Amino acid sequence: DGGITQSPKYLFRKEGQNVTLSCEQNLNHDAMYWYRQDPGQGLRLIYYSQIVNDFQKGDIAEGYSVSREKKESFPLTVTSAQKNPTAFYLCASYTPGNTEAFFGQGTRLTVV
Amino acid sequence: AQKVTQAQTEISVVEKEDVTLDCVYETRDTTYYLFWYKQPPSGELVFLIRRNSFDEQNEISGRYSWNFQKSTSSFNFTITASQVVDSAVYFCALSEIRGGNQFYFGTGTSLTVIP
Repeated sequence: DGGITQSPKYLFRKEGQNVTLSCEQNLNHDAMYWYRQDPGQGLRLIYYSQIVNDFQKGDIAEGYSVSREKKESFPLTVTSAQKNPTAFYLCASYTPGNTEAFFGQGTRLTVV
Repeated sequence: AQKVTQAQTEISVVEKEDVTLDCVYETRDTTYYLFWYKQPPSGELVFLIRRNSFDEQNEISGRYSWNFQKSTSSFNFTITASQVVDSAVYFCALSEIRGGNQFYFGTGTSLTVIP
């Protein structure tokens, strides 16, 4: 079945560590997105990518980095520069003309 | 400026009541898409509907209906005869073609249906 997969579902990070969140899609979608959601808040765009080897910053890119080496994959690294990384992270993929943007199940990141 | 505004932060209704969730958007594009997503407590986003800017027909799907009015830049969502399972956070979103296909989400409306 086609879909978008995020892993892990839960992730714990120590202060000062970098962690990478995985996002894979087999929908052949061109665009992929990363959003951050804080409790009781909406979704804020971190990064997005329209095509392979190209990506743009969203509204809250500081402290995050991404890569898009393959169409199917758009990993997000939360660096030690991100001072408040505890949040719920959602990945999405989309191609214009498709019915919808598909979202992964999300990764809940906690700093310990 | 906020591109998608959901002014209702939280709504509570008693089961079987009808409820309307408001969404107002802002765009200069002539071609754009509007969406509604449901986020249950588990966290994943569930797609409900997509509308393109050239199709102002209202749509009904079971107990759900959507009212799209370009004149007021609104895309409101009504649940008829609400049920406890409708309790969730609902997000309205805008995708602009010229804007690089970014998705702009509203802040969401948390709906609680009381049995």
